[in-house]
Amino acid sequence: GDSVTQMEGPVTLSEEAFLTINCTYTATGYPSLFWYVQYPGEGLQLLLKATKADDKGSNKGFEATYRKETTSFHLEKGSVQVSDSAVYFCAQNTGNQFYFGTGTSLTVIP
Amino acid sequence: DTGVSQDPRHKITKRGQNVTFRCDPISEHNRLYWYRQTLGQGPEFLTYFQNEAQLEKSRLLSDRFSAERPKGSFSTLEIQRTEQGDSAMYLCASSLGDYSNQPQHFGDGTRLSIL
Repeated sequence: GDSVTQMEGPVTLSEEAFLTINCTYTATGYPSLFWYVQYPGEGLQLLLKATKADDKGSNKGFEATYRKETTSFHLEKGSVQVSDSAVYFCAQNTGNQFYFGTGTSLTVIP
Repeated sequence: DTGVSQDPRHKITKRGQNVTFRCDPISEHNRLYWYRQTLGQGPEFLTYFQNEAQLEKSRLLSDRFSAERPKGSFSTLEIQRTEQGDSAMYLCASSLGDYSNQPQHFGDGTRLSIL
């Protein structure tokens, strides 16, 4: 069935390091893909999305490209900041159902 | 920006009791979703409303769970005869538009603890 698999954490990086969080999906149709972020003590909020193959979503310096050939949507950021410390969830939707990954906790240390 | 509001924030109850949670979506949003999230996991889809119509339910949704959105505004999620395994965070989200790929706005959730 439809699902999302994302890189397990936790991930700890130094400030200004490069970030990659891997995400792959399994879908019967043509899903839209999302990254959500949950900052400490807050609810989930959309970080970026891509609705079709080869689309690139971007926001706050984060990027992810919808790769249909590898069924992937990896999240990247060139230079992380302490304020990026959060839990990141990859998600896909097929029809009206959404499927989330298990989340990857990121801690950025000064 | 009122955001999605959920009530209560925390609920502690004994096994076998019934509980009801409320979600107030962003006012103009026509779509409303319920999710369950356990520790270390991502949100798990439970059910979805478009206006007042419940259009989709997860196969994982036990018949002890029922959700309503009577006037297409707020929604309630009721769990009857609660079990230990129902302990989780229950999240509500809403979105606007005719397409399911619109961004969802999440509430802070209701944390349910079953004693």
